Amino acid sequence: GESVGLHLPTLSVQEGDNSIINCAYSNSASDYFIWYKQESGKGPQFIIDIRSNMDKRQGQRVTVLLNKTVKHLSLQIAATQPGDSAVYFCAALGRGAGSYQLTFGKGTKLSVIP
Amino acid sequence: DVKVTQSSRYLVKRTGEKVFLECVQDMDHENMFWYRQDPGLGLRLIYFSYDVKMKEKGDIPEGYSVSREKKERFSLILESASTNQTSMYLCASSLPGGPYEQYFGPGTRLTVT
Repeated sequence: GESVGLHLPTLSVQEGDNSIINCAYSNSASDYFIWYKQESGKGPQFIIDIRSNMDKRQGQRVTVLLNKTVKHLSLQIAATQPGDSAVYFCAALGRGAGSYQLTFGKGTKLSVIP
Repeated sequence: DVKVTQSSRYLVKRTGEKVFLECVQDMDHENMFWYRQDPGLGLRLIYFSYDVKMKEKGDIPEGYSVSREKKERFSLILESASTNQTSMYLCASSLPGGPYEQYFGPGTRLTVT
């Protein structure tokens, strides 16, 4: 099966700096990855996704990088703002229980220092 | 915007009670999912459904069952609640083709005493 892990459970960043949140996955056959943001008291919110045929994808102030060789992906947030404070999850699509399903990492809590 | 709603934000039940958690989505999504979220364990998949009346077990189905009688509604049932089922329960939905971009509800925090 798939396992997904985040490198750091917490990350503190100064407002205006760039944030980098890292994630590792175990299944080399995983072909789809998502980043979610979860604010306190809310459900996870989709940020950005990437398929395995890509190395990089950019959104608004966010970039996801995928390194299939070392089975690693990262989320970069440019010019981090207080509203970016949340828990960030990566998820990988792998096969489990006979069907494809997303496996989620445990999350990195991002704190933005004003 | 996709909207996924869950029947309760907070719920307190007693051990042994039968508990129903309801989830409704308004975007005509085929796929629906139930997760539980616990500190240090992340999101774990309980059950999912790719169509009406269809269900598949996730990673931790023991102690739970589900019902999908209508496309927009996916119910999670705790037949006999136990204290180890105290958790945050999250429902999600997605378009057909696979469990890709999933839209989550706000969650139900269930406490079993």
